[in-house]
Amino acid sequence: GAVVSQHPSWVICKSGTSVKIECRSLDFQATTMFWYRQFPKQSLMLMATSNEGSKATYEQGVEKDKFLINHASLTLSTLTVTSAHPEDSSFYICSARRQIDSPLHFGNGTRLTVT
Amino acid sequence: DAKTTQPTSMDCAEGRAANLPCNHSTISGNEYVYWYRQIHSQGPQYIIHGLKNNETNEMASLIITEDRKSSTLILPHATLRDTAVYYCIVRDDSNYQLIWGAGTKLIIKP
Repeated sequence: GAVVSQHPSWVICKSGTSVKIECRSLDFQATTMFWYRQFPKQSLMLMATSNEGSKATYEQGVEKDKFLINHASLTLSTLTVTSAHPEDSSFYICSARRQIDSPLHFGNGTRLTVT
Repeated sequence: DAKTTQPTSMDCAEGRAANLPCNHSTISGNEYVYWYRQIHSQGPQYIIHGLKNNETNEMASLIITEDRKSSTLILPHATLRDTAVYYCIVRDDSNYQLIWGAGTKLIIKP
């Protein structure tokens, strides 16, 4: 159990366009979902924490108007990269947990390339 | 900052046990130790976690020292598919966040 599905697995877009990434918990209800980005050969960097039905909490240095997060239900959170630029190219990963002290389960990531 | 230190890389022969060490000397009483792994270009995969006692599941065993300042993840019979970066993480007890360090790149050799 505890499967997290992330879609799309990869996307290429042009500068200035917006891209939406979906994260779904398939077999459990996730009270909290997290969004990370990972650059090559680096560790995961937490971008924001998303609780169902409330505004996301962003980490320092992450622009909330650029990375829009919506957590509309207990099984779905979305990350929209608005007005994407080449420097936004990265590997974006989501994770979800049932409750505060549960293990995190991760999606398989989305490779975003902005040209 | 990450609360753990791990070797940067390790090799292990296929079929042998892979023992991955982790130091977490500043761990506090209620903080859990989590292990995840990340295969290239995939999301991290949960392996195991523990507080004080040794733990075992279908993937691995976790041995935590009595003083809880270090732990070892054991993959009993490593296969080529176990090649990945292994992360040892102490969960922050104030907000239950996982702070990711650099991990250990484990290479299983035939």
